[in-house]
Amino acid sequence: KAGVTQTPRYLIKTRGQQVTLSCSPISGHRSVSWYQQTPGQGLQFLFEYFSETQRNKGNFPGRFSGRQFSNSRSEMNVSTLELGDSALYLCASRKQGGNTGELFFGEGSRLTVL
Amino acid sequence: SQQGEEDPQALSIQEGENATMNCSYKTSINNLQWYRQNSGRGLVHLILIRSNEREKHSGRLRVTLDTSKKSSSLLITASRAADTASYFCATDENNAGNMLTFGGGTRLMVKP
Repeated sequence: KAGVTQTPRYLIKTRGQQVTLSCSPISGHRSVSWYQQTPGQGLQFLFEYFSETQRNKGNFPGRFSGRQFSNSRSEMNVSTLELGDSALYLCASRKQGGNTGELFFGEGSRLTVL
Repeated sequence: SQQGEEDPQALSIQEGENATMNCSYKTSINNLQWYRQNSGRGLVHLILIRSNEREKHSGRLRVTLDTSKKSSSLLITASRAADTASYFCATDENNAGNMLTFGGGTRLMVKP
């Protein structure tokens, strides 16, 4: 069974640009969550999608957005990039949307903003 | 924001020794989970303990949970060099929706 796949793995952008990251969950998993990991703030929850609906959102500005498609694949977008957006962006999936159960993480997309 | 704090932030031990990491959190929870992360990679789930459980074992891992003190500990017995990684606790809080709140992590180095 294939794991969670994130693309691209690495990317470099400049301030003011926008970026789209993609996540394909494990087959059969309908919940997809996104986390940002930085050395200073650690792992921070961005948002969670279940059946194409955003069910929860972390404390991030509106520049951070996401969506989920009918096949459960998810994308997140960051517009007007800032230097502080440099981070490892991790996607995680789980089968159901309940509040128990482990998350299965992808390898992450490492974004560098210059 | 981070729910918990982990202690110690870094730990260096010799192969064969036991490693203990602690996690404290602030609010009531449904469950607490431990994850491992090799440098710059994704997180891997290790073990989940529910709020009504006090102790759980999985192979060389032992997790305890004290909800009265809002704390948990992860014990890795007979450590190996391959256990070198960062370890994070994550809480599934009541009424927080479907999100996990992660602690700051403990960086474990196991020297061969």
